[in-house]
Amino acid sequence: EDQVTQSPEALRLQEGESSSLNCSYTVSGLRGLFWYRQDPGKGPEFLFTLYSAGEEKEKERLKATLTKKESFLHITAPKPEDSATYLCAVRFQKLVFGTGTRLLVSP
Amino acid sequence: DGGITQSPKYLFRKEGQNVTLSCEQNLNHDAMYWYRQDPGQGLRLIYYSQIVNDFQKGDIAEGYSVSREKKESFPLTVTSAQKNPTAFYLCASTDGLGQGYYGYTFGSGTRLTVV
Repeated sequence: EDQVTQSPEALRLQEGESSSLNCSYTVSGLRGLFWYRQDPGKGPEFLFTLYSAGEEKEKERLKATLTKKESFLHITAPKPEDSATYLCAVRFQKLVFGTGTRLLVSP
Repeated sequence: DGGITQSPKYLFRKEGQNVTLSCEQNLNHDAMYWYRQDPGQGLRLIYYSQIVNDFQKGDIAEGYSVSREKKESFPLTVTSAQKNPTAFYLCASTDGLGQGYYGYTFGSGTRLTVV
């Protein structure tokens, strides 16, 4: 069964304290890995798409990387406004979502 | 601006009542999806439709029904058979049988509560 696992479930950082979120998956014909940001009470908002191992994408303080079995979302010098739940999804025949990492950045 | 509109934002259902959640998109996307989100769980697929007048059950379809009479619209009915409907419901769409670069575009969600 195709599965997507995100870790940690929750992460608390001080402002400026860099860290990484992990998304691992079992492969059965990967056709793209996606990262989304979700704020409370809102729908997920697209961040990145990664298609092949070795690929990297950056946006402001976020950088997503992909290997054959996992992806990392690196957050450099985070700010309180980066606090959100970060969802990873992998497309096999349909999108399969992880349970997310709740990130809280304190000033 | 193109996007997906879900309404209402909050919905309350009494025991034994059917309620319908609206989802409209103006992105000209072919495929539309309904997900349920519960605390501590990932998004779970309820139903999806890749073309007008056709739809398929997802992983948790029991107690739900959908229709796809127009490309732009994909309403979800939560029936009285759904015993635990309290959740956050998300509608999404994508183009070309799911080949969109952005994965799925999501609406802002409907929070359904049983009273």
